[in-house]
Amino acid sequence: KNQVEQSPQSLIILEGKNCTLQCNYTVSPFSNLRWYKQDTGRGPVSLTIMTFSENTKSNGRYTATLDADTKQSSLHITASQLSDSASYICVVSASGGGADGLTFGKGTHLIIQP
Amino acid sequence: GAVVSQHPSRVICKSGTSVKIECRSLDFQATTMFWYRQFPKQSLMLMATSNEGSKATYEQGVEKDKFLINHASLTLSTLTVTSAHPEDSSFYICSANPWGPISREQFFGPGTRLTVL
Repeated sequence: KNQVEQSPQSLIILEGKNCTLQCNYTVSPFSNLRWYKQDTGRGPVSLTIMTFSENTKSNGRYTATLDADTKQSSLHITASQLSDSASYICVVSASGGGADGLTFGKGTHLIIQP
Repeated sequence: GAVVSQHPSRVICKSGTSVKIECRSLDFQATTMFWYRQFPKQSLMLMATSNEGSKATYEQGVEKDKFLINHASLTLSTLTVTSAHPEDSSFYICSANPWGPISREQFFGPGTRLTVL
């Protein structure tokens, strides 16, 4: 059964600090891994998409890593801002990579405190 | 580009009534759209794939007669929750992309919060 596990479930850090969110998956055959940011009461917004051959991808203060051998990914947030408070969802795509082959994690709920 | 909208953003209804939620692709055409449901602190769960001009494809365990999907045009898909009950209260999200169902990228709508009293 395809699964995506995220940790921690929730995290509170002070504004300006860095943090790293983890994602472990057991999805096969692997196509790509995505990180989304979901603000409360809103739909998810894509941060990064990584394929098998990509180890690191950055989007501003967000840097995602992927280790396809250990089936792990991380999302590192640098110099956190209050607007970073949200849920961060790891999504792994199987088979042809289309939306019907997506497995969603439960997300990490991140709170940035001033 | 690639903006997906939903309407309404919030709806409260009485048990037994039907509620229609719209999903629109604002700046592109989408032959396929996807409907998800999300309970508090849970993952998005795919409910069904909406196909323009043909019947929707439902995931296992999702009642097609309860969740009616109509993809009448290349920019609009609707989800109707029929005879809604309190257990149908949830956050409903749609997604689409300009490049077809096999694309790696999906753009999500802002979601619709349904509360059934």
